[in-house]
Amino acid sequence: DTEVTQTPKHLVMGMTNKKSLKCEQHMGHRAMYWYKQKAKKPPELMFVYSYEKLSINESVPSRFSPECPNSSLLNLHLHALQPEDSALYLCASSLGQGGGANVLTFGAGSRLTVL
Amino acid sequence: QKEVEQNSGPLSVPEGAIASLNCTYSDRGSQSFFWYRQYSGKSPELIMSIYSNGDKEDGRFTAQLNKASQYVSLLIRDSQPSDSATYLCALFSGGYNKLIFGAGTRLAVHP
Repeated sequence: DTEVTQTPKHLVMGMTNKKSLKCEQHMGHRAMYWYKQKAKKPPELMFVYSYEKLSINESVPSRFSPECPNSSLLNLHLHALQPEDSALYLCASSLGQGGGANVLTFGAGSRLTVL
Repeated sequence: QKEVEQNSGPLSVPEGAIASLNCTYSDRGSQSFFWYRQYSGKSPELIMSIYSNGDKEDGRFTAQLNKASQYVSLLIRDSQPSDSATYLCALFSGGYNKLIFGAGTRLAVHP
């Protein structure tokens, strides 16, 4: 299995809703990532988990809350989002976090629209 | 100065030509470099990784790394319309312990 699976593919939510994005991989990767990507921009790192522990939080607003229940799963909990949070949210995984181990495999992404 | 710089393009090449995509970087300590391809509306996919000075070939793709001059390039031979995409240059920053992406170069291959 060489895939990173993200659900849902599309999500529309209001500013008062609570929703979650899910990500799963079964490649034995020990680092997992959330990226946010706006149109015509490169992916922007949000969070990194390494061996199920939060390794990097790129000063992301608290309305985004990551969770790594185990080495194969990564969630992103969303609450009280703003319209400007509408974007493609990408999950990725890699063998490890450093150097040559940092070869990312991306999921297909979750397209989020905040009304 | 940005950590990783790429010309945003679009770079337009005719079918069958060689497309040359370039990337410069500022962190002399970087050791790991990557090229990702991203089709419109899709997620990035790894095309090449390169860690040593010189050339690395994989099919129609050749990555070139020159650490002294701090640039990395991607050559696509016999370009096809299906190569039309945005190409993201990235490096692993030991200082920041994360991958740093360039802004991406949009490539358009016309028949």
